[in-house]
Amino acid sequence: EVQLVESGGGLVQPGGSLRLSCAPSGFTFSNHAMHWVRQAPGKGLEFVSAISSSDGSTYYANSVRGRFTISRDNSKNTLYLQMGSLRPEDMGVYYCAREAIGSAIDLWGQGALVTVSS
Amino acid sequence: DIQMTQSPSSLSASVGDRVTITCRASQGISNHLAWFQQRPGKAPKSLILGASSLQSGVPSKFSGSGSGTDFTLTISSLQPEDFATYYCQQYNSYPLTFGGGTKVEIK
Repeated sequence: EVQLVESGGGLVQPGGSLRLSCAPSGFTFSNHAMHWVRQAPGKGLEFVSAISSSDGSTYYANSVRGRFTISRDNSKNTLYLQMGSLRPEDMGVYYCAREAIGSAIDLWGQGALVTVSS
Repeated sequence: DIQMTQSPSSLSASVGDRVTITCRASQGISNHLAWFQQRPGKAPKSLILGASSLQSGVPSKFSGSGSGTDFTLTISSLQPEDFATYYCQQYNSYPLTFGGGTKVEIK
């Protein structure tokens, strides 16, 4: 089955760090660029970060640049999002998503909930 | 950054109705426009890429059109499972940006 499964969400204090992981299955992970998209409670979708399939180019939303780092390990078939200096406004569900080759997102994970609170 | 403006932000419709949602980009994005459906409490689902190309498995009652700055998503005959929130997204340039969403509710 083609799917993406996120893990690593949880409760973290403001200023803390958290690392999300995304495990793909059913397709060749190394062929696809990958994205993280988040959704604050009751709000819309927001692009967070993306990483290319080939040269490792990375892209970030202005709101997370310098605090978050996206990476991938094609040998372990895993996508990561290292989140630091977390703020209450970073709270929400974080979705891992696959980019269709040369196109847009065509597959979403079920999401990982991140709560930032003291 | 490219701003994406969706309208309306919400609408009420009946089963069987034809529904149209519009999405406007603040600058030209060619056909680099995607549409997503999100049911309550669920992850988004990809409907349309390239402004008008239906994703595999998406019923043909969904259609998309447009190029440049103005785009539309049409649902030809609304069914109970179509009541959800719909988002457009431009993928012409980073940072990628989403529209604010259109919530389709039952009248």
